[in-house]
Order: sequence, then structure tokens, then C-alpha cells
Amino acid sequence: SQQGEEDPQALSIQEGENATMNCSYKTSINNLQWYRQNSGRGLVHLILIRSNEREKHSGRLRVTLDTSKKSSSLLITASRAADTASYFCATVSGAGSYQLTFGKGTKLSVIP
Amino acid sequence: DVKVTQSSRYLVKRTGEKVFLECVQDMDHENMFWYRQDPGLGLRLIYFSYDVKMKEKGDIPEGYSVSREKKERFSLILESASTNQTSMYLCASSDGLAGGQDEQFFGPGTRLTVL
Repeated sequence: SQQGEEDPQALSIQEGENATMNCSYKTSINNLQWYRQNSGRGLVHLILIRSNEREKHSGRLRVTLDTSKKSSSLLITASRAADTASYFCATVSGAGSYQLTFGKGTKLSVIP
Repeated sequence: DVKVTQSSRYLVKRTGEKVFLECVQDMDHENMFWYRQDPGLGLRLIYFSYDVKMKEKGDIPEGYSVSREKKERFSLILESASTNQTSMYLCASSDGLAGGQDEQFFGPGTRLTVL
């Protein structure tokens, strides 16, 4: 069953603007991860945030986690055309769990 | 860099055929995974393996089996392919240090069409 649900399903912005994607989930988690997928390719891991963390940065990426609201957001600052891709959140629940449960993704288009 | 390779990028098979999808990783990872990805449904876990010869069912194992005879190789088998198994298949691996909870490294995917 799907754990994470991304919002919006699709997002179109101009190059240089910031892009914000949200993810909501249903059960308690150990960590939450964001992945990027370029069209028709495999997924690439972007960032992992653990349940005891509230915010994490990596380059132009900023991820927040609010466990009380069971939600996370991914902010891409100063977007580039190369950021055009689908973005997925994935959750890991339960100690010893091997399973990542993915949402359906947000399709981001960055217009040059 | 971790590299996960899949045997084919595109594959076309006929209904009823036995299909083998191969995945190889070169980072000595303990854990390997098979997902399928369908429009509107996201990624769904079919099977995973946390050690050689060990396997666990994911969310949608029906119609599939797996084999892990060597640490670096994880095979997905469609015993009798059906049209509803037309999909993108993604293999992934992760190391065992965090019990499989850390990042997964994905292969490029195999787009399988069953006619």
C-alpha cells in the first residue's frame, strides 16, 4: 500500500524560481527519503532525513520533516532546466524494516 | 560509485513465456530489491533479498519469483508472462549497515512489454 503521497502531482516553474513539493504519510516512520527520476530512467537518491531531525540541507535542496503532521517538504532553490524530473518521497517504517514505501511522485518541469 | 546494472533496457515477450530479468551490483551490498513502476501507481516492491539465498515477499509478489545465488546478482523471474506484467522494472541495492534502511541505489530499469 502507498505510504507517501506527494503534492502537487505536477508543477511547472520558470528557471531560477524555487520549487516546493510536499509529501504526507500515514504511519510513524524511521526515516523519509527523497529520490529523483529523470524520464524513463532509474531513481537517484537525493536526501535522507531521520525521524528525530527537522531539517536537512544538501546543496540547493532543503528538506523539512514534521512528524506531528506526518509530512515533509522538498525545496529546490534557484531551479535549473536540468532539475526537470519526477520527485518521489519514500518512507521506512519500523525497526528492522527493509522496505521503502514510495509515493506516486511529483512531476517537475522547469522552463528555461 | 555504486553501479547497479540491469540486463536489458527494453524487452518484448509473448504471453506465457518465462522471462528472466537480471540485476548486478558492484558494491558488495547485502540487500537487493525488485520494484515495478506503473503510471499513477508509483513504485511497488515485488521481492527483496537481504542475503544470498534469502528472499522476502514485497507488496505484489504474485506471478513473480526471485533467485539470489550470488551476493552481487538478483534475478526476477516471470514464470508465465501475462499482459498485466507489462511495466518498468527497477532493481535496487543497499548496504546492510543500517539494516536496509538507508539509501537505495537503482539500476536504469527494464521496460518490459508482454504481447
